[in-house]
Amino acid sequence: QQQVKQSPQSLIVQKGGISIINCAYENTAFDYFPWYQQFPGKGPALLIAIRPDVSEKKEGRFTISFNKSAKQFSLHIMDSQPGDSATYFCAASTAGYQKVTFGTGTKLQVIP
Amino acid sequence: DGGITQSPKYLFRKEGQNVTLSCEQNLNHDAMYWYRQDPGQGLRLIYYSQIVNDFQKGDIAEGYSVSREKKESFPLTVTSAQKNPTAFYLCASRSPGGSNEKLFFGSGTQLSVL
Repeated sequence: QQQVKQSPQSLIVQKGGISIINCAYENTAFDYFPWYQQFPGKGPALLIAIRPDVSEKKEGRFTISFNKSAKQFSLHIMDSQPGDSATYFCAASTAGYQKVTFGTGTKLQVIP
Repeated sequence: DGGITQSPKYLFRKEGQNVTLSCEQNLNHDAMYWYRQDPGQGLRLIYYSQIVNDFQKGDIAEGYSVSREKKESFPLTVTSAQKNPTAFYLCASRSPGGSNEKLFFGSGTQLSVL
């Protein structure tokens, strides 16, 4: 039972380009949408997160766009760098409910 | 340094053997989690615990067991009933709710079958 669908599975972007990863959810009770970044052999780390009362959140080169009516959210990485090469997971959870549901991940490769 | 410590980093299991993965945290978090990571399948929840002496099954609990006798520790046992145990196992703790809520992950244990 996959409640968060993530695409694409893999992505290759040239240095300086924009990386875009998309997620869609089904459960309208979700009210917290984080993105995690994972480097090989390491655990994921929180990158940026958004709540549905805003449509966009920006932190440096990373932006989350959120469309509540479409039940979709996306991560945009501006001016992508080789150091951004990692696997990115979107996730969703509900306040007061301890389970966090993850997407299937996107492996990003930024080539020079 | 505050964080999640998982050990060992690599573990090999023989057929019919139970193995235990260690997870310790010094973040003083109540909630702790075990996830299994397989290529192309993301992170799937095995078990989670919201408080000492209490834990709940996640989405793929069959073949696994846990205990939560101390706030700092949440060990996972992979039993012989788990027929496909080869995976990367991640332990996490969760900060309290609100705008700063997030999961803190350990560096993982890679379990392989001999």
